[in-house]
Amino acid sequence: GAVVSQHPSWVICKSGTSVKIECRSLDFQATTMFWYRQFPKQSLMLMATSNEGSKATYEQGVEKDKFLINHASLTLSTLTVTSAHPEDSSFYICSAGHRTNNEQFFGPGTRLTVL
Amino acid sequence: ILNVEQSPQSLHVQEGDSTNFTCSFPSSNFYALHWYRWETAKSPEALFVMTLNGDEKKKGRISATLNTKEGYSYLYIKGSQPEDSATYLCALSRSQGGKLIFGQGTELSVKP
Repeated sequence: GAVVSQHPSWVICKSGTSVKIECRSLDFQATTMFWYRQFPKQSLMLMATSNEGSKATYEQGVEKDKFLINHASLTLSTLTVTSAHPEDSSFYICSAGHRTNNEQFFGPGTRLTVL
Repeated sequence: ILNVEQSPQSLHVQEGDSTNFTCSFPSSNFYALHWYRWETAKSPEALFVMTLNGDEKKKGRISATLNTKEGYSYLYIKGSQPEDSATYLCALSRSQGGKLIFGQGTELSVKP
């Protein structure tokens, strides 16, 4: 099956620093990648949809200047949490849409803790 | 129904029991219903993508049905095994390749 990697798997940072999370599709090309966030005991909530070579589309309530998304190639998308604060502590997970079917394949997620 | 809702939230069964979960979703603007299996510290694994009303899909001991008119899908596990312990997520998509709207998941624990 299609494999999506995500790096790092966990990160602890100080308040005010920026953190970059990478999402890679390893064995297929993904024109669209999605970034989700999950708070404890809640659903996966879509943050933004990222299309290769164009600007990301953000969901309502998600600050595009705080969560910078870059999708520079068909196999890589990055999410940068800028000037992170404790309320940004969460589980972030990406998925990649396969070009030939309806499926989305997920990475293993990144646990971000901001002190 | 405005959101995707799953029930129960959690389920504890004995090895060998059969079990089922429910996913309810808004029936308007439906394109596909996705089921995922998510083990701790791993990536969610796609189980099924279902698009047609009346669809039934099967993978080993796991099967799923879809009713798009009334807005629900059932996931069945026959003869549960400890390795089936995971969170089962369903998600709605409203277009091909479109974003997924997730339910909160059903956490299954199978005791040997």
